[in-house]
Amino acid sequence: SQQGEEDPQALSIQEGENATMNCSYKTSINNLQWYRQNSGRGLVHLILIRSNEREKHSGRLRVTLDTSKKSSSLLITASRAADTASYFCANLNQAGTALIFGKGTTLSVSS
Amino acid sequence: DVKVTQSSRYLVKRTGEKVFLECVQDMDHENMFWYRQDPGLGLRLIYFSYDVKMKEKGDIPEGYSVSREKKERFSLILESASTNQTSMYLCASSLRQGAGAGTEAFFGQGTRLTVV
Repeated sequence: SQQGEEDPQALSIQEGENATMNCSYKTSINNLQWYRQNSGRGLVHLILIRSNEREKHSGRLRVTLDTSKKSSSLLITASRAADTASYFCANLNQAGTALIFGKGTTLSVSS
Repeated sequence: DVKVTQSSRYLVKRTGEKVFLECVQDMDHENMFWYRQDPGLGLRLIYFSYDVKMKEKGDIPEGYSVSREKKERFSLILESASTNQTSMYLCASSLRQGAGAGTEAFFGQGTRLTVV
C-alpha cells in the first residue's frame, strides 16, 4: 500500500494550545496536501506544500516538509473548539493519477 | 462556489441488492474519484476517472464498478451489496493533475451506506 501514516492517531488539547500532527509518506512527491474533515462530513482542503518548499503558512496553520525523511507536519496555533476535526495528509500515488490519504489524526479541542 | 454533490447522505440496502451511488460536480473537472472510509483504515481509493467513459481501478476495486457517461457525473455501483461494504463513501473531483501540478480535490458530503 502507498498509504501514508499520520501521528498521533488522536490528540486532545485545551483551547489556546498548539496542536502538531505529523505525516509520513512512502512515495516520492511533487507536493503534499493537508485536509480537514468534520465529523461525518466530506474533506476540505487546507493547504498544499510543494516538494521544493520547506515551510508554508496559512492563517493559524503552519506546514513543514522534509523530503529527505519523507515527512510533513501540520501545526495549528492557538487552537479553538471549532478546530475539532480529523486531519489527513495526502499525496499523489506513484502513477501521479490520484491522491492517496493517510489514516488521519483526530483532534479534540476542549474549551 | 464549487460543489460536489452526492445523491444521498444515508442509505440502507439489503444484502444482494444492486446499489447506485451518484456524484455530480459543477466545476468542469476532468478527474473524479470514489473513496471509502472506515475507522482505523482512513480513506481508500476504489476507482477514479480522468475523462468521460474512462475509468481506472484504485486500491480496492473488488465488488465495485463505476460509470462516467457525462463529465459532471460519476457513479459507483455495488453489483451485489454485501455487509462488508457498509462504509462511508466519499466522492471527489479535481482538475487534471499534470506533472508537478498537484491540484486540490473537492469532496462531496459523503454517503453513509449500511448493508443489512
